Amino acid sequence: EPEVTQTPSHQVTQMGQEVILRCVPISNHLYFYWYRQILGQKVEFLVSFYNNEISEKSEIFDDQFSVERPDGSNFTLKIRSTKLEDSAMYFCASSGRTGTPGRSTFGSGTRLTVV
Amino acid sequence: KQEVTQIPAALSVPEGENLVLNCSFTDSAIYNLQWFRQDPGKGLTSLLLIQSSQREQTSGRLNASLDKSSGRSTLYIAASQPGDSATYLCAGSYQLTFGKGTKLSVIP
Repeated sequence: EPEVTQTPSHQVTQMGQEVILRCVPISNHLYFYWYRQILGQKVEFLVSFYNNEISEKSEIFDDQFSVERPDGSNFTLKIRSTKLEDSAMYFCASSGRTGTPGRSTFGSGTRLTVV
Repeated sequence: KQEVTQIPAALSVPEGENLVLNCSFTDSAIYNLQWFRQDPGKGLTSLLLIQSSQREQTSGRLNASLDKSSGRSTLYIAASQPGDSATYLCAGSYQLTFGKGTKLSVIP
């Protein structure tokens, strides 16, 4: 079964540094998403990406965050000037082969630890 | 703004029991509703997707229903097994709004 692949599985970074989280969505999916889950809390929507641009973003997704689809297969989340509170599990997801969002398939996540 | 609530927060049942997990949402204009399973420290596994025009979906021992008018969805698990132990999350619409989940423990 097709999978969403995320790398790295775990990243430790120092406060103030920039990190890039990488994702390879399911090929032919058209919608891409980033979510995060702070330990013990709900999974929270960050941003959705469709047709090479951000289609929606949450209040969390401020200027510290950016997304990019640098080529036909990768989808990245960049976090600038990381803060301790950015420590969380970050999930990438993709959906919609036919132009309408449907079942979302999630990656296994990247655990980001900011020290 | 969509809010999703799941009750109970935790549930412990003996193996073999049938059980129901509940999910309620505030915005009835929900595009679809998806149930996920999350194992500790792991990602989310999609279990069932119910489109807004549908009432229920079944997969094996799992059956999920959607009642948009009342803002509720239920996940029914038949003949529970220890391997079903996990946190079950429901989420609605395009940009999924998640509940906090129900942590299920199935006791052998």
